[in-house]
Amino acid sequence: EAQVTQNPRYLITVTGKKLTVTCSQNMNHEYMSWYRQDPGLGLRQIYYSMNVEVTDKGDVPEGYKVSRKEKRNFPLILESPSPNQTSLYFCASSRKQSGELFFGEGSRLTVL
Amino acid sequence: AQSVTQPDIHITVSEGASLELRCNYSYGATPYLFWYVQSPGQGLQLLLKYFSGDTLVQGIKGFEAEFKRSQSSFNLRKPSVHWSDAAEYFCAVGAQDTGFQKLVFGTGTRLLVSP
Repeated sequence: EAQVTQNPRYLITVTGKKLTVTCSQNMNHEYMSWYRQDPGLGLRQIYYSMNVEVTDKGDVPEGYKVSRKEKRNFPLILESPSPNQTSLYFCASSRKQSGELFFGEGSRLTVL
Repeated sequence: AQSVTQPDIHITVSEGASLELRCNYSYGATPYLFWYVQSPGQGLQLLLKYFSGDTLVQGIKGFEAEFKRSQSSFNLRKPSVHWSDAAEYFCAVGAQDTGFQKLVFGTGTRLLVSP
């Protein structure tokens, strides 16, 4: 089954404790991206990648890191989480130039 | 800068009634427009997209949208709403030079369907 898989789906952590949210897609898509969803703000892009070893900042990259060492994986790293990073995070992938993003089911992160 | 406005935060429609969700965009060049739907507890799914050509675009689940350049609008419509359409709907605009990776989303409209 074609899918984008995120882990963990739910996480409660404390300020400053490094965490990684993994994202993997099995559709051989070239493009991958991370979004955060907050009430009243919709989805905002954190980072995106158009190829292996190529990443670019989205609209809200502060406090986040990403890497794209393999085509299928695009982990999101929070080096020192803060409460304002409490949010619902989505990973998405797409074929080159298609415009159709396939989303994971989301990872709900709470930072205390 | 690109931006998308969805003026309605919530809309309630009776089952079987018609639906129109509004979307206005701001973009300096040719806009590439999308509608996504998010069912409760799920990720987003593409309903339809407009790149060029016919300004009336058909999508999945019986939805359609009409691009009106003069009004900078891309409203989503459905002639008869089903209870399963209850979800949150997002309009988005993207640019071809970034492979549509830098999508800018609106804040969403939550659709409630009453019996």
